[in-house]
Amino acid sequence: GESVGLHLPTLSVQEGDNSIINCAYSNSASDYFIWYKQESGKGPQFIIDIRSNMDKRQGQRVTVLLNKTVKHLSLQIAATQPGDSAVYFCAESFIFGKGTRLHILP
Amino acid sequence: NAGVTQTPKFQVLKTGQSMTLQCAQDMNHNSMYWYRQDPGMGLRLIYYSASEGTTDKGEVPNGYNVSRLNKREFSLRLESAAPSQTSVYFCASRDQGTQAFFGQGTRLTVV
Repeated sequence: GESVGLHLPTLSVQEGDNSIINCAYSNSASDYFIWYKQESGKGPQFIIDIRSNMDKRQGQRVTVLLNKTVKHLSLQIAATQPGDSAVYFCAESFIFGKGTRLHILP
Repeated sequence: NAGVTQTPKFQVLKTGQSMTLQCAQDMNHNSMYWYRQDPGMGLRLIYYSASEGTTDKGEVPNGYNVSRLNKREFSLRLESAAPSQTSVYFCASRDQGTQAFFGQGTRLTVV
């Protein structure tokens, strides 16, 4: 069946450094991927998305890379700030992965 | 513009009791979803409704029923609550090929 997973459950990053969160998917026919951020006590919120006809998409301080050959996508956060502390989910359409908790070290 | 509204925000049930979680969206989205979130398990899909008048099972539908009352509202019912259904429940809505918008969640404890 379809699944979306993440490589690491927890990631610790120094404030100011770049963060990279990885995600693997299994369905080759997947054509729409989304990254969400979930802060404590809140529902997930949209960060950035990418469609399968693209390899890269950039937003404000965030970049999503899609490698369809190995069915992998990543979220890059530039100059990580304390407010970036959260759980990050990748999703294929409406199917979610387990999430990666991002810790920002002072 | 409230987005997705869930009620209640918190609920404690005794084993065997029933309850309905309510969800309403004001974005005119076609699709609505119910997820549960447990520690370390991410978001698991319980049921979804791709469009008004249709509902389908997700990954973990056992013990739940849903009703797509109209385009705005999608409710989740627990007929006989069990401790294993203690979780945080999220409702979401979206149109196909776009991001989902989530409610604030319902924290349910079954004792």
